[in-house]
Amino acid sequence: AQSVAQPEDQVNVAEGNPLTVKCTYSVSGNPYLFWYVQYPNRGLQFLLKYITGDNLVKGSYGFEAEFNKSQTSFHLKKPSALVSDSALYFCAVSLPRGGNNRLAFGKGNQVVVIP
Amino acid sequence: GAVVSQHPSWVICKSGTSVKIECRSLDFQATTMFWYRQFPKQSLMLMATSNEGSKATYEQGVEKDKFLINHASLTLSTLTVTSAHPEDSSFYICSASSNRGRAKDTQYFGPGTRLTVL
Repeated sequence: AQSVAQPEDQVNVAEGNPLTVKCTYSVSGNPYLFWYVQYPNRGLQFLLKYITGDNLVKGSYGFEAEFNKSQTSFHLKKPSALVSDSALYFCAVSLPRGGNNRLAFGKGNQVVVIP
Repeated sequence: GAVVSQHPSWVICKSGTSVKIECRSLDFQATTMFWYRQFPKQSLMLMATSNEGSKATYEQGVEKDKFLINHASLTLSTLTVTSAHPEDSSFYICSASSNRGRAKDTQYFGPGTRLTVL
């Protein structure tokens, strides 16, 4: 069974500083990996995904993530955080057949960007 | 990205009534749609997966007779909460994906529906 771990409950970062949200996964085979962001009382917005190819994936709003197979990690990063990046971030993994299969979500990380 | 809408965005109903929530893919054909439930400050809980034209597959512990799912077309899925009770109050979110095109291999989510049962 696939699973995702987001070890931190909340990530606090000063505006303008680099932002990192950690994610590790456990799945057999080659995973599809995703990051989503959720603002209060809203659905999830797709940020980026890794399916194959270059380990560094660039996504929306200046976010990027690096797939590390040996460490089974897919950490989300942004070089310079904005106050508007304050939200709930979810890492998710699906089996090789892709998004049509079930997604396993991490518990989510609350990101707070301090002005 | 691909756009998914949900209607209504919020609904308040009396205990014992039924509520229907619509999920639409606006700019792509959704071969698969998913329904989730989210409790405050928690992750999403998958309720069911539906493929167009076939019966939904429910997750363990989800009552299929209580949460009726219909995926009659490639752009519309509905979730009906039958005989709703206060414990059904929650935030319901749908997602949609496709086996081709812009939504291939990726779930795109609707904005969610806040259900409050009095």
